Amino acid sequence: GAVVSQHPSRVICKSGTSVKIECRSLDFQATTMFWYRQFPKQSLMLMATSNEGSKATYEQGVEKDKFLINHASLTLSTLTVTSAHPEDSSFYICSATTGWGQPQHFGDGTRLSIL
Amino acid sequence: QQQVKQSPQSLIVQKGGISIINCAYENTAFDYFPWYQQFPGKGPALLIAIRPDVSEKKEGRFTISFNKSAKQFSLHIMDSQPGDSATYFCAASGIGANNLFFGTGTRLTVIP
Repeated sequence: GAVVSQHPSRVICKSGTSVKIECRSLDFQATTMFWYRQFPKQSLMLMATSNEGSKATYEQGVEKDKFLINHASLTLSTLTVTSAHPEDSSFYICSATTGWGQPQHFGDGTRLSIL
Repeated sequence: QQQVKQSPQSLIVQKGGISIINCAYENTAFDYFPWYQQFPGKGPALLIAIRPDVSEKKEGRFTISFNKSAKQFSLHIMDSQPGDSATYFCAASGIGANNLFFGTGTRLTVIP
């Protein structure tokens, strides 16, 4: 149980392209989803928190116009990296939870490489 | 400011040995302390978690020890196996909150 699927697992694209990453909770309804960024050999850095049907809450320093988050249903959240540049290359990971005080379950991440 | 401090940064243990990873926190509002295991190229997987009302929780070879007064908690992996080689993250979240504050991670290597 508690499976979170993230797609695609890897993206390589040219600078200036916009990239969309999907995060789905397969066997539970996720009232809250989180998006993290992880650099090599480093910890997870929370980018934003999204609740179904409402605007995402971004962490300090994260550009909301750069990283568009949509949480349209209880099982799907998307992260769109707009006009991506090489410095946006990273490992992006989503997680989902059923509610307050419940465990976060993580997807397998998306390796984004911008050329 | 790092909300959760984790040590050591890396750990090498012989097969069959005990792996111990330590974490400390300052925020007394934290009430949920999970441990995650992450393999290269994968997302973190929830391993075991504890709340402050107990001092120890055991699941198979994995045990969390929790010291509320010292604001410290640790992960013990008994009979460590090469398949346990991964990066381990401790984390904490507060009462009524969902946000997890992660430690910096410990890269565990279990040698045969």
